Order: sequence, then structure tokens, then C-alpha cells
Amino acid sequence: NAGVTQTPKFQVLKTGQSMTLQCAQDMNHEYMSWYRQDPGMGLRLIHYSVGAGITDQGEVPNGYNVSRSTTEDFPLRLLSAAPSQTSVYFCASRPGQSPYGYTFGSGTRLTVV
Amino acid sequence: DQQVKQNSPSLSVQEGRISILNCDYTNSMFDYFLWYKKYPAEGPTFLISISSIKDKNEDGRFTVFLNKSAKHLSLHIVPSQPGDSAVYFCAAIRASYDKVIFGPGTSLSVIP
Repeated sequence: NAGVTQTPKFQVLKTGQSMTLQCAQDMNHEYMSWYRQDPGMGLRLIHYSVGAGITDQGEVPNGYNVSRSTTEDFPLRLLSAAPSQTSVYFCASRPGQSPYGYTFGSGTRLTVV
Repeated sequence: DQQVKQNSPSLSVQEGRISILNCDYTNSMFDYFLWYKKYPAEGPTFLISISSIKDKNEDGRFTVFLNKSAKHLSLHIVPSQPGDSAVYFCAAIRASYDKVIFGPGTSLSVIP
């Protein structure tokens, strides 16, 4: 089925380790974003992209990097993991300035110990 | 500064009754408002939206009302069903911008 695919679904990291959360969509959507969900905080925007080669920061970008070399893929890199980055991460995409918002992936649950 | 607020973290409703979820916003420049539904261990899914030029939008059991003067919107679910038990996120978009801003969510429990 078409949609947004996130890998891995679960990950445990040690403080200081780096890793990349993968996100791919097959709907030819222009816009892609990364959110993190924390209790009581809702979904907070980390980084977003409006097309291949274009990225920008969201509300909570520190400690994360992104790149968008293709329309389909939007990986999120944690440079040096910290316990404060323990969260559930969601990747989402939407077709340009659609009023109908995002299609979300199923999430990656990350624990940093 | 939270631009989209959902002041009720949780809500319990009897099956068959009406569920009313509330959302307030601070930015009068938002063009669209959306509601998302999220089950545990799944990503949020789009439920219903409303343009800022409308005051009501209906889709089956779900109706969203917008009061622009009060910067307030609400989602009504009638009748409520146990399968509606989930976290509901209110979100807002400015058409000229690229960001979707989410509220903190309200956890709805529909009791059989």
C-alpha cells in the first residue's frame, strides 16, 4: 500500500551514539516533515522539507540533521544521542500546500540510555 | 509559546452520547484547522478539516465548529462509539507557510 514507511520501529541507543531514522514515501509528495511526540507536548516539528534539496528547521531542531536528496526519502540524523531525545518520532508527508495535512508513518520509538 | 492549545488532556464519555473536544488557537492568520486521531503504536490519521472561512464542516458522525472571533474550534462526535477511543490532535495551517502546528492532544475514552 502507498504511504509513509519509517524504519526502524524501535531503537535503543547509548548516550553519545549517532544514528539515522529512515523515512520514505511513495506518493510523490512535495512536503515532508519530522515530528517528535512527548507526553503532554503533542507533536513538535523538528525539521521539514518543501522539496528535494530544500530543508528548514522547525520548533525543536537542535541535535538533529536532515537532508532531502530525493523526493521520496527524508532521513533524520541524530548526531550525538542524549536522554532528552528519548521520544516517538513520526515522519509525515503531504502534497504541497494541501489543506488536508499530513499522511503519517507509524513511528519510531527511540530510547536513549 | 503554544499557538494551538487543547486544555483538556482527557475526556470520558458513555457510548452513544456526544463527545465534544475543544481547541483554542492564538494566531488569527491560520487558514485551515484539522483534527487527527491517533491510536496507540500507530501514526496519527487525518479525520476532518475546516477552512477559516467556514463555521461548520460535517462528515458522518464528526462535525467541526469554528468560532473565529473566539479563536476556538470544537470537534463533535455523535454518537460516540468505543472505537472512537483514541488521542485527538487539533492542528492548524497557514496556507502561505509550510508548517502544520499541532496541539498537545486530548485522550478520549468511550465507555461501553
